[in-house]
Amino acid sequence: GQNIDQPTEMTATEGAIVQINCTYQTSGFNGLFWYQQHAGEAPTFLSYNVLDGLEEKGRFSSFLSRSKGYSYLLLKELQMKDSASYLCAQAAGNKLTFGGGTRVLVKP
Amino acid sequence: EAGVAQSPRYKIIEKRQSVAFWCNPISGHATLYWYQQILGQGPKLLIQFQNNGVVDDSQLPKDRFSAERLKGVDSTLKIQPAKLEDSAVYLCASSLMGDTEAFFGQGTRLTVV
Repeated sequence: GQNIDQPTEMTATEGAIVQINCTYQTSGFNGLFWYQQHAGEAPTFLSYNVLDGLEEKGRFSSFLSRSKGYSYLLLKELQMKDSASYLCAQAAGNKLTFGGGTRVLVKP
Repeated sequence: EAGVAQSPRYKIIEKRQSVAFWCNPISGHATLYWYQQILGQGPKLLIQFQNNGVVDDSQLPKDRFSAERLKGVDSTLKIQPAKLEDSAVYLCASSLMGDTEAFFGQGTRLTVV
C-alpha cells in the first residue's frame, strides 16, 4: 500500500499560521487531496493538487512537489473553528489512500 | 444535489453478533468506498467498488466482513461475527472515478460491547 506520513498533532495560537506536512510514495501518483475532519463528523474536501506548486483558496493553501513526494497544507489567520483533524490523501492506481491525520488544536 | 446517505448513524451490539450498514452514494458516482476509522486514526480503506465490481478489498477481513454493491448503486457492509476491535466509525464515500474527490457520508458509529 501507499505509506503516507503526517504529524500526529500540532498546536497553534489563534491568528497564527500553521503548516502541516505530508510525505507519500511517488509511484503511480495521480493527485494529492487534503480533507478537514471535525470531531464526530465526516471528512470534507479542502484542496486538490496534481501539478507542482501552490494552490491558494482563501485562508488555506496547499503545496505539492511531485519529485519529492511532499505536500503541505498552510492554514493562515487561524480561527478557533479550525481546530480539527487534517487528512492528507493520495490518489494512486485508481485508489484514494489516507494518512493518519494531523490533529490541530487552536488556542486563544 | 443529495449527498452520500448512510444508515444507521449509531449501532451498539454485543460481540459475536452480526450487523449491517447501508450506503446510498451520490447519483452517477461510479466509485464507492467503505472506510473504517478507529478513534484518533485516519480512515482505512476496507473495500472499493467501481460500479458493481470490486477494485480493492485487500484490507477487508474476509473471515468476518463482507460487502456488496448490487446494481452498481447502493451498498451494504456486513460484519459477522463482530469483535470488540471492530468498534469504529464506518464511513462510506463515493466519487465519479477512483482518483477524484471523494464525498463522505456521515458514517455509522459502531460500538461492540
